[in-house]
Amino acid sequence: QKEVEQNSGPLSVPEGAIASLNCTYSDRGSQSFFWYRQYSGKSPELIMSIYSNGDKEDGRFTAQLNKASQYVSLLIRDSQPSDSATYLCAVPINQFYFGTGTSLTVIP
Amino acid sequence: GAVVSQHPSWVICKSGTSVKIECRSLDFQATTMFWYRQFPKQSLMLMATSNEGSKATYEQGVEKDKFLINHASLTLSTLTVTSAHPEDSSFYICSVLAMGEQFFGPGTRLTVL
Repeated sequence: QKEVEQNSGPLSVPEGAIASLNCTYSDRGSQSFFWYRQYSGKSPELIMSIYSNGDKEDGRFTAQLNKASQYVSLLIRDSQPSDSATYLCAVPINQFYFGTGTSLTVIP
Repeated sequence: GAVVSQHPSWVICKSGTSVKIECRSLDFQATTMFWYRQFPKQSLMLMATSNEGSKATYEQGVEKDKFLINHASLTLSTLTVTSAHPEDSSFYICSVLAMGEQFFGPGTRLTVL
């Protein structure tokens, strides 16, 4: 089992819909979790971090963490075409492990 | 978060030459920096962890004699691709570990002819 796993997608949602991105991780002891957004041809940009079970909201983004299920998700409300990108989940274990990313396309 | 710059943003070189890429932490003294490589439509691949004042730690399969990393100060790490070949063409990205979070530079696109 990989340290961090994501569905590669692609995921397509219509503009204005909620996009749901999921990530599972292998280390039960992990304490911090990160979501990065990477536009094509650009480097990753940190958009959310979450450390405690439950939800963390920042604007249109909500990160959800369930440590018992070793599951972290990212919800994007009111999706915009500008949200079209690859979203990477990252979990530091003995190093930062990144998922392979989920490609999201928001259709106008 | 930390602001990270890279130079150059892109470089084209001939096969057999060496290329140096600089990574600077502009507003944070970074004890630890990371170097990644990313091929088109593939995920990030960690190449090495760069620690200020000590030797870099390379990931399995990464040739330390080919990818020379120097982290001489808390704000600068360099990656030198020695004797570059076309298969080294890739997107090289550095990052800074700051307060438990990782912040990426804008990346350097290397094309080896």
